[in-house]
Amino acid sequence: EADIYQTPRYLVIGTGKKITLECSQTMGHDKMYWYQQDPGMELHLIHYSYGVNSTEKGDLSSESTVSRIRTEHFPLTLESARPSHTSQYLCASTGGAGVKAFFGQGTRLTVV
Amino acid sequence: GENVEQHPSTLSVQEGDSAVIKCTYSDSASNYFPWYKQELGKGPQLIIDIRSNVGEKKDQRIAVTLNKTAKHFSLHITETQPEDSAVYFCAASDSGGGADGLTFGKGTHLIIQP
Repeated sequence: EADIYQTPRYLVIGTGKKITLECSQTMGHDKMYWYQQDPGMELHLIHYSYGVNSTEKGDLSSESTVSRIRTEHFPLTLESARPSHTSQYLCASTGGAGVKAFFGQGTRLTVV
Repeated sequence: GENVEQHPSTLSVQEGDSAVIKCTYSDSASNYFPWYKQELGKGPQLIIDIRSNVGEKKDQRIAVTLNKTAKHFSLHITETQPEDSAVYFCAASDSGGGADGLTFGKGTHLIIQP
């Protein structure tokens, strides 16, 4: 089992609310990622980080933002949630070249 | 950039039969090919991977084959069991396995019929 954790597992929230999805790993990995998974199960990279104070946008444009103040922590924030943000969000990490990528259990977000 | 095609999108097999999922990639620089299994309500879990210097790798009922010339790789599951039902993703990378270099296929929903 990989030591990467996401909270909450499920979240139902009203439109306009600010939310933060948490992701933490205890493996000391430098690289961390956020994927958005659509109902068809396809994975879309929305953010990634190479280490502390590093954040990059992924292939899929997202209104969310991320921060990387500590190596083990990579939270994702939506300033004003909308129904179009309803999705499954997956966090992943890897320790660098030649090291495998591990995923968290995911956060299922529903915006009503 | 890399493009990974995965087929089929849905695969239904009888329990005990074999299942094969195929992927093709476009970037000849890709050298790492992992497979992930995602069960309902969970995140993807790495089940097997192969590097470009190897043609085949086995782990109990699971095997992966790689044809670098044709740029395709396949997942083989023998003696399928109900717990094999899940969504399977292939991926390709040229950066040694880090997720920033991973390009995923669109997934195959494997259904094991009792």
